[in-house]
Amino acid sequence: AQSVTQPDIHITVSEGASLELRCNYSYGATPYLFWYVQSPGQGLQLLLKYFSGDTLVQGIKGFEAEFKRSQSSFNLRKPSVHWSDAAEYFCAVGAGTNAGKSTFGDGTTLTVKP
Amino acid sequence: DAGVTQSPTHLIKTRGQQVTLRCSPKSGHDTVSWYQQALGQGPQFIFQYYEEEERQRGNFPDRFSGHQFPNYSSELNVNALLLGDSALYLCASTPGANYGYTFGSGTRLTVV
Repeated sequence: AQSVTQPDIHITVSEGASLELRCNYSYGATPYLFWYVQSPGQGLQLLLKYFSGDTLVQGIKGFEAEFKRSQSSFNLRKPSVHWSDAAEYFCAVGAGTNAGKSTFGDGTTLTVKP
Repeated sequence: DAGVTQSPTHLIKTRGQQVTLRCSPKSGHDTVSWYQQALGQGPQFIFQYYEEEERQRGNFPDRFSGHQFPNYSSELNVNALLLGDSALYLCASTPGANYGYTFGSGTRLTVV
């Protein structure tokens, strides 16, 4: 069965500092990996996805993620955080490219200090 | 272009009642998935609809059922509501393979 672990429940960073959110997955085949962001009371917005090819994936809002098969990880990074990045971030692994049956982690809440 | 639209936004039901939630996918999207997100947790997959049929299903009881209409819109029905069904229900749509999903803002269901 597929599973996703986001080890950090809550992260606080200063505005302008770099950010890395961790994601570890378990999946028996080639994973299809996603990062989503959720603002309070809102649905999820897709930041980026990895299906195959280049293991460094660029997304929207200046985010990137790197797929490391040997570590079963798909960590999300941003070189300089803005106050508007404060939200909850979810990593997900999907079965198949349309990833209909995606399994999500429990999320990491990001707080940005002025 | 409207994204995924869900209705209602909030709903309060009594234990044992039945509820129907509605979803209109983004224009051009023909596949709809439903997720349940309990407070403080990530979304959990309920089921996926394509071509008016349930294609995949998560680990949810038969009390959870759905439907997709010819215009690709979808309904989620939950019978015999339990207190534990209180959650944010998210609908997501996609035009098909190699795309991620576009999510709606959800329906907040409270069972009392």
